[in-house]
Parts: sequence; C-alpha cells; structure tokens
Amino acid sequence: EAQVTQNPRYLITVTGKKLTVTCSQNMNHEYMSWYRQDPGLGLRQIYYSMNVEVTDKGDVPEGYKVSRKEKRNFPLILESPSPNQTSLYFCASRYRSGVADNSPLHFGNGTRLTVT
Amino acid sequence: DAKTTQPTSMDCAEGRAANLPCNHSTISGNEYVYWYRQIHSQGPQYIIHGLKNNETNEMASLIITEDRKSSTLILPHATLRDTAVYYCIVRVQKTTDSWGKLQFGAGTQVVVTP
Repeated sequence: EAQVTQNPRYLITVTGKKLTVTCSQNMNHEYMSWYRQDPGLGLRQIYYSMNVEVTDKGDVPEGYKVSRKEKRNFPLILESPSPNQTSLYFCASRYRSGVADNSPLHFGNGTRLTVT
Repeated sequence: DAKTTQPTSMDCAEGRAANLPCNHSTISGNEYVYWYRQIHSQGPQYIIHGLKNNETNEMASLIITEDRKSSTLILPHATLRDTAVYYCIVRVQKTTDSWGKLQFGAGTQVVVTP
C-alpha cells in the first residue's frame, strides 16, 4: 500500500533531550516536507526537500534539522527540544512531474510531540 | 493563492450523497482546486483535484463550474467513516512549488449520521 509512514505516533520528552522523528515513503516521490499543526495556526512548513541531498527551510525552521540522504527517508531532528515545540507534526510527500506539476501532497498520520 | 470560502458545518445521512460547496471567486487560470479531509488529529488525506473539467475517482467527484469560481465535492454514498473536516484549497501549478504556507483554512465539518 502506498503510504507515508511516521514514527513514533506519540512522543513525550524533556527539554534538551535530542530526538528524531522518522518519515518514510514508498511511492518513489522526489519531494518531501515536514509541517507542524497548532490550533488556530493551520499547517506550517518546517523544512522541505525537492530531491535527495537537497533541503530548504520552510516558514518555521528554527530549532529543527533535517536530512535527505536517500529518496524514501526524511527524518526530522530536534537537537535540543523546547516546550514551544510541543505540537502535532506531519510528514508529506509528492511526485514532481516537471511541466505539469499539479500532483497532490500525501500526508503521514502524524506524530504528537510533547516537550516538558 | 486564491482564497476559498466553505460552510462551517453540514450534516449528512448515512448512505446519502454529501455535496460540499467551495467558493473560490478569485481563482486564476493556472490554479488547481484540491480537496483534502482530516479526521481528528490524523494526517490530511488527499481526495481529489482538478483544473476545469469535472473529475471522479474512487473516493469522490469534483464538479467545477464553467467560470471556475466555485466547485462542489460529492461523496456519493456517505458512510460514518466520512465524518471529518473537509478542506478546499487552490494552488498554482509551479514546478518550483514548495507547498509551503499551506493554509487549509477552517474547512467544513461534515458529520454523517446513522
């Protein structure tokens, strides 16, 4: 089944303890992205990647890192988590077809992170 | 990206068709209409998208008016599992599109009742 898989689904951690949220897609998509969803703020993009070894900052990149060493994986790294990073995180991917690039985003099921 | 307007909520009886309207009167010629839904705290689920022709897939049908200023998502036989918030968004077709600033808006809360 074609899907975007995030792990873990729930994570509770303490301030300053490094963590990684994994994201993997099995659709051979070039593009991957991370979002956080907070009440009243909608989905805000953290980082995105147009292809392997190519990453760019989104709207709210502070406090996060990403890497794209292979096409299927796009982990989100919080080197020193803080309570303001408590949020619901979504990974997404899409196929980039070039000229007629209207392919939609496909989202994972989310990771609910709590930083105390 | 053009702004969209959707009703806040709607109810639908199980087994009946659900017709979800979306107004996008400022849509430009190269903007696509996308529909997503989100069941509480799950990831947004892609449903369907289109430019100007009506579209149908295994989940739904999308009817876009000739002037493209509005569209209707049709769930042909609503089930209890279709209870969700439905979002209509418009996005321009660009190869460099980062899909950032993803404003889903408030959407339409659809409740399917037995």
